[in-house]
Amino acid sequence: KAGVTQTPRYLIKTRGQQVTLSCSPISGHRSVSWYQQTPGQGLQFLFEYFSETQRNKGNFPGRFSGRQFSNSRSEMNVSTLELGDSALYLCASSTGQGHGYTFGSGTRLTVV
Amino acid sequence: AQKITQTQPGMFVQEKEAVTLDCTYDTSDPSYGLFWYKQPSSGEMIFLIYQGSYDQQNATEGRYSLNFQKARKSANLVISASQLGDSAMYFCAIPGTASKLTFGTGTRLQVTL
Repeated sequence: KAGVTQTPRYLIKTRGQQVTLSCSPISGHRSVSWYQQTPGQGLQFLFEYFSETQRNKGNFPGRFSGRQFSNSRSEMNVSTLELGDSALYLCASSTGQGHGYTFGSGTRLTVV
Repeated sequence: AQKITQTQPGMFVQEKEAVTLDCTYDTSDPSYGLFWYKQPSSGEMIFLIYQGSYDQQNATEGRYSLNFQKARKSANLVISASQLGDSAMYFCAIPGTASKLTFGTGTRLQVTL
C-alpha cells in the first residue's frame, strides 16, 4: 500500500513569506500529526488532526497553522517566515488509536 | 506528561557486532507503548520496533530487539550483526494524548568496517 507522501521535499523561502506544506496519509488513516525537527530543539510536536478536527496542539506561535480535508490529506501553513523556521517538517499518519505511526520523508524548509 | 531520555549522543560499532542503544522513559499512563525509529541522513523516520507495556515478551523484529525493563522504565534497542546501512540517528518515542509522540534527543550510530 502507498506510504505517507509529503510535498514538496525541499523548499527555499525568504523571510516574511508564507509557506504551505502538504501531507497525504496512508489510505484509511484518519490522523495526521506534524513535527518540526531542528538541530537545536530536536523533534517537536506541532499539531494533530483527526477527521478534520485539530485534537492536539504543541507549543508553537499562531503563525503555524494546519488543516485537514475530508480525504484526510493535511496541510500546514507557516506565515511570516523567520530564519528560525528553517527545519525538517515531518508528518505522521496513523489510525488515531495510539499505534502504528508512519512518517513521510519530510519537507526540508530553508528560510533565507 | 511523557518524557524520553537518550543519554548516548553518539555510538560506534564495528560491522557484524551487536550494539545497545539506551532509552529511559517517564509516563503516568498505566498502559503505554514505546517506539523506536531510525532516521537516515535522507530524513525519513523509519519505524523499527514497538513494545507495549503489557506485552509479556520483549519485542523482536529481525535484527532488532528490545530489552524492556518496566520496573526500571527502560526500553533499550539491541541491534545484532550491525551493517553499514545501520548508520543513522535512532530515536525512542512514547505516544501521549491524541497521537502526540514525545521523542528523545536521539543517538547517532556509526557502523565501521
